[in-house]
Formats: sequence, structure tokens, C-alpha cells
Amino acid sequence: RKEVEQDPGPFNVPEGATVAFNCTYSNSASQSFFWYRQDCRKEPKLLMSVYSSGNEDGRFTAQLNRASQYISLLIRDSKLSDSATYLCVVNHGAFYNQGGKLIFGQGTELSVKP
Amino acid sequence: DVKVTQSSRYLVKRTGEKVFLECVQDMDHENMFWYRQDPGLGLRLIYFSYDVKMKEKGDIPEGYSVSREKKERFSLILESASTNQTSMYLCASDSEGNSPLHFGNGTRLTVT
Repeated sequence: RKEVEQDPGPFNVPEGATVAFNCTYSNSASQSFFWYRQDCRKEPKLLMSVYSSGNEDGRFTAQLNRASQYISLLIRDSKLSDSATYLCVVNHGAFYNQGGKLIFGQGTELSVKP
Repeated sequence: DVKVTQSSRYLVKRTGEKVFLECVQDMDHENMFWYRQDPGLGLRLIYFSYDVKMKEKGDIPEGYSVSREKKERFSLILESASTNQTSMYLCASDSEGNSPLHFGNGTRLTVT
């Protein structure tokens, strides 16, 4: 089982649709969680951190379920500009020199069509 | 805003050449990282550093070395480039283990 797994995609949705991505992680000791967005041939950019209580940023909502070990990203009212690959990132520990490790999912491709 | 700058966007090198990829960050971050990203394989950690002159191997260090002589600069070295090192190389930094990574804009290296 991969340490971090994402919906394979691609997700092809019309403008205005609501779309949700899930990401499961295997290490129950994981401490922090993030969603990154990566445009084609560009670097990943932080979209949002994921907090235990869930958090929202405009049309984007992130949730964490520690019991089931998954995080989710919900995008409402999709825009053409939301087309990108969304990477789930899980941090297992606080200090890299003490074995902490940042694990990236493979990414889920989203294509929003007119 | 954190700025992570990689010296080259595109590089073309020949097999056997020594290649230096430079990365500079301006936020006094302790941790710096080098990843490579390949289709179907995602992001893979090559090396990281949590302090000046400190370095740790990541998941795929073979064929690479690194140098961190100053806090703001982290260099990736390909001692003898090979075609299987053709990839997108991404440098990143963060301030402590639970903070998000900030990436440079990447170097697309082609080894012919």
C-alpha cells in the first residue's frame, strides 16, 4: 500500500460543477497535511493547509478525518482556471533529521471545461 | 512572500558532464530540499539539508551529491550526468517540520 494515495483522475467537469478529491494516508502518526496545486510544467504551489477542524478558503474546503486516515478537497463552482493537478502532501513528523518525512501523493488531474 | 530561486529554467547537458543546479531562498529557512519529478512517479526526494553543512540522503540519492555552505544556498551536483537523470528538478525550503514547503520554479534538465 502506498503511503499516500489519491484518486487517480483525470476529473473532467463542466464549469460551475462541484468536485471532490480524496487522499488516504497510511501512517497514523502523520502530523500535518497540505493540498498543493501544480499547473502544467510549473512548480507545485501551496493551495491550503488542512486543519483538524476543517477549513475553507473561498470556493475551496479541506477536511481531515484522522479516524479513517484521509483528507479531502472540495472545489465549488469550478472555474476554467482551476484546471491543474492537485497534490496531497502528508508530513509524518516534526523534524527531518529525526525521521520526519514529507510524502507526496501522485496527484489528481482536474480539467474544467466550458 | 517566500522566494526560492533556481538558477536555470532549462538546461541541456551531455552524458558524462558535471552539472550544478543552484537554489537560493530568501526567508532564512533551516530546511532545504531537492526533488525530481517524473511522469507517473511523482515527486521523489533526492537530498535534504536541515542546517548549514548538514545533508541527508533522501529516497533516490544515487548519482547525486549536494552542498550547503551557506544557509540560503543549496546546490545539487550531478557528478557525471546520465540520460536517466533527464527530469524536472525542484528545490524547496521550509522553516520547520510542520510548515509547508515552498518550491522554486524548477529546472528542466535534459541529458543527451
